[in-house]
Amino acid sequence: GDSVTQMEGPVTLSEEAFLTINCTYTATGYPSLFWYVQYPGEGLQLLLKATKADDKGSNKGFEATYRKETTSFHLEKGSVQVSDSAVYFCAFNAGGTSYGKLTFGQGTILTVHP
Amino acid sequence: EPEVTQTPSHQVTQMGQEVILRCVPISNHLYFYWYRQILGQKVEFLVSFYNNEISEKSEIFDDQFSVERPDGSNFTLKIRSTKLEDSAMYFCASRGEAPSGRVPFFGPGTRLTVL
Repeated sequence: GDSVTQMEGPVTLSEEAFLTINCTYTATGYPSLFWYVQYPGEGLQLLLKATKADDKGSNKGFEATYRKETTSFHLEKGSVQVSDSAVYFCAFNAGGTSYGKLTFGQGTILTVHP
Repeated sequence: EPEVTQTPSHQVTQMGQEVILRCVPISNHLYFYWYRQILGQKVEFLVSFYNNEISEKSEIFDDQFSVERPDGSNFTLKIRSTKLEDSAMYFCASRGEAPSGRVPFFGPGTRLTVL
């Protein structure tokens, strides 16, 4: 069935380090792909998205490219900050009438130290 | 910026009791959703709601669960007789019409603890 597999956490980095969080998906058709972030005590916020193959989503220095051939949507940031400490969720939806029905990965906890 | 709100932030209840979790979606949104996240597990889709009826539900959403839009602003999730395994974070989400409104906006969640 449809699923998302995310890199196991937690991930601990020093400020200004390079970040990669891997995400692969199994889905029929051509899903839209998302990264959501959850800061402590807050809800799930959309970080970035890509709706078709080879699209690159970007926001706040984070990037992810929709790779259909490898069914992946890895999240990257060149230089993390302490304020990036949060839980990151990869997700997709099949589109059509199910636009709001998302399948999530298990989340990756990121902690950035000064 | 408009946001989805949820109340209460934390609900503690005894097993077998009924609980109602409340959500106020973004005002011009028409599609509403509930998700849950059991501690340490994935965020899981429960139900979608449009035009005053359920449009899709997961196998988790059994007869113990119901949703309602009692007025023009609230969207509620009721659990009739809570079980220990219902303890989780419950997220409400809403979205507008496609194509501009494809992405759901999530609320901060209600943490439900069943004792």
